[in-house]
Amino acid sequence: AQSVTQLGSHVSVSEGALVLLRCNYSSSVPPYLFWYVQYPNQGLQLLLKYTTGATLVKGINGFEAEFKKSETSFHLTKPSAHMSDAAEYFCAVLKTSYDKVIFGPGTSLSVIP
Amino acid sequence: GAGVSQSPSNKVTEKGKDVELRCDPISGHTALYWYRQSLGQGLEFLIYFQGNSAPDKSGLPSDRFSAERTGGSVSTLTIQRTQQEDSAVYLCASSFGMGLTDTQYFGPGTRLTVL
Repeated sequence: AQSVTQLGSHVSVSEGALVLLRCNYSSSVPPYLFWYVQYPNQGLQLLLKYTTGATLVKGINGFEAEFKKSETSFHLTKPSAHMSDAAEYFCAVLKTSYDKVIFGPGTSLSVIP
Repeated sequence: GAGVSQSPSNKVTEKGKDVELRCDPISGHTALYWYRQSLGQGLEFLIYFQGNSAPDKSGLPSDRFSAERTGGSVSTLTIQRTQQEDSAVYLCASSFGMGLTDTQYFGPGTRLTVL
């Protein structure tokens, strides 16, 4: 069965520091991969997604993620954290276009001034 | 509309009562999804609609849960005989395209509390 793990339920970084949120998936075939962000008291918003093609995907707000098949990973990065990046981040995987989306447990990002 | 809307935003009910949660998708979106977000857990996929039909209902936690969509627009998620473990935020999303890889736009959710 598909599963998604996110290492670290809480991550704290200093403002201006690198953001690295980890995501690993289990799949026998390359899946479709997503990162969503949930700001306090708001719904989820798509940050970026990988379907096919280039393995380095750029998203909104300066975030990017790289699909590494050999490591079954899709880690999310941002070179310089901003206070407004504080939110919950969810990695999600979809095995085929008509399968269920499986979400990871989420990582709460705090940005320290 | 401007985005996905859900009502009510908060619902407090007593154990054993039935509740209905409503989702208004973005106009023109053919696909609609329901998720449950429980405290300390990730998002749990419940069901999705393509038009008015639901190809996959296996995500519904029990037969107390049902959902319908009429007119290819508004959807209602009904929970019968609510239990305390049903307490969660119920999120709705919609997408324009037919496949689950199409970008899903989420509503703000309905926070359900079962006493």
